Amino acid sequence: NAGVTQTPKFQVLKTGQSMTLQCAQDMNHEYMSWYRQDPGMGLRLIHYSVGAGITDQGEVPNGYNVSRSTTEDFPLRLLSAAPSQTSVYFCASSPGGPTRAYGYTFGSGTRLTVV
Amino acid sequence: DQQVKQNSPSLSVQEGRISILNCDYTNSMFDYFLWYKKYPAEGPTFLISISSIKDKNEDGRFTVFLNKSAKHLSLHIVPSQPGDSAVYFCAASSRGTASKLTFGTGTRLQVTL
Repeated sequence: NAGVTQTPKFQVLKTGQSMTLQCAQDMNHEYMSWYRQDPGMGLRLIHYSVGAGITDQGEVPNGYNVSRSTTEDFPLRLLSAAPSQTSVYFCASSPGGPTRAYGYTFGSGTRLTVV
Repeated sequence: DQQVKQNSPSLSVQEGRISILNCDYTNSMFDYFLWYKKYPAEGPTFLISISSIKDKNEDGRFTVFLNKSAKHLSLHIVPSQPGDSAVYFCAASSRGTASKLTFGTGTRLQVTL
């Protein structure tokens, strides 16, 4: 059981480039989220989804796009990379609903550097 | 506006002693609280949770206490082990937005020999 798989693990981008961070889960979870972790800031929610075809903005959505065409996949798109988007990105999934006591399962992260 | 606060960036505890990690929140709509543990270069892993209808939840060496009137929760680890050295994040969610977790900034725990 792979859980939550994120690719790539590392990426360097030039300012203005675009790219997609991939996230896939094999647990048939309804909820999926993207977080970024910056020093001293904890984890901040970028976008989230409560099911296929349904997405919404989190705390820091600017500069990012998401879509959820299937239950399994939740890609995060950087439209025009900026140095302020240098961070570690985590994708997470959860069965949601009454089982939210078990929280989210996180992927191992993508370390992104924008130069 | 930081709705979940972990005011201690770091904590050092001797092996075998108790570790107490603290978390405060400001949003009275939060009704589920979770603790995550994170090792370097890994994603956070779920540790323990507590519903607002309880004031204590225990799982082996880990116990979470919730004081709703003070909007405060704490994680107790007894006895502390070197493998517990990690960053611990407190997180919260509310019934209306159960899909969203709000995280604190984390506390780095170091368990020394």
